[in-house]
Amino acid sequence: GQQVMQIPQYQHVQEGEDFTTYCNSSTTLSNIQWYKQRPGGHPVFLIQLVKSGEVKKQKRLTFQFGEAKKNSSLHITATQTTDVGTYFCAATDGQNFVFGPGTRLSVLP
Amino acid sequence: NAGVTQTPKFQVLKTGQSMTLQCAQDMNHNSMYWYRQDPGMGLRLIYYSASEGTTDKGEVPNGYNVSRLNKREFSLRLESAAPSQTSVYFCASSERKNYGYTFGSGTRLTVV
Repeated sequence: GQQVMQIPQYQHVQEGEDFTTYCNSSTTLSNIQWYKQRPGGHPVFLIQLVKSGEVKKQKRLTFQFGEAKKNSSLHITATQTTDVGTYFCAATDGQNFVFGPGTRLSVLP
Repeated sequence: NAGVTQTPKFQVLKTGQSMTLQCAQDMNHNSMYWYRQDPGMGLRLIYYSASEGTTDKGEVPNGYNVSRLNKREFSLRLESAAPSQTSVYFCASSERKNYGYTFGSGTRLTVV
């Protein structure tokens, strides 16, 4: 079945540093979603990417979908303590979404 | 506030007991889902309902049953709880299948 991998598993950054998490799939994807989950909270939908090579921005967050539609990245510029949490990608090949294991981000003030 | 409501928030069961997790959404979404979240394993789909009147198995359906009671409500039943079902359970809904999900706040279930 479809597998979704994310790297890194953990990332510790100093406040103000940049952060990137990568999502890779074993199959060509129909679309990909990104979620954020704060510690003790529930996943919150951030964005959905559909087109090959698509780039979308939300303030300090930049999301990219690979040209081959097998990978995606989330980049945060100048991290803040409010960015702490686990970032999940969820990918589908047209059936149901499969969630990656997540990247846990901690931000040191 | 509009959203997905799950009950209960916490539950402790003894092995072999049964229980039903309740989920309701008030966003007029067509699709609803049940996920479980275990440390280091992300979220795994148990069952989903693409639209009212339909239910389908996800990645890890064994030991669970679901009921789409109406467009708003989607319940998850554990007939005979096992320690391996200790997890955090999330209900989610989306306007349509493969649209962005809105998650409930979760149920933390411990089976002893």
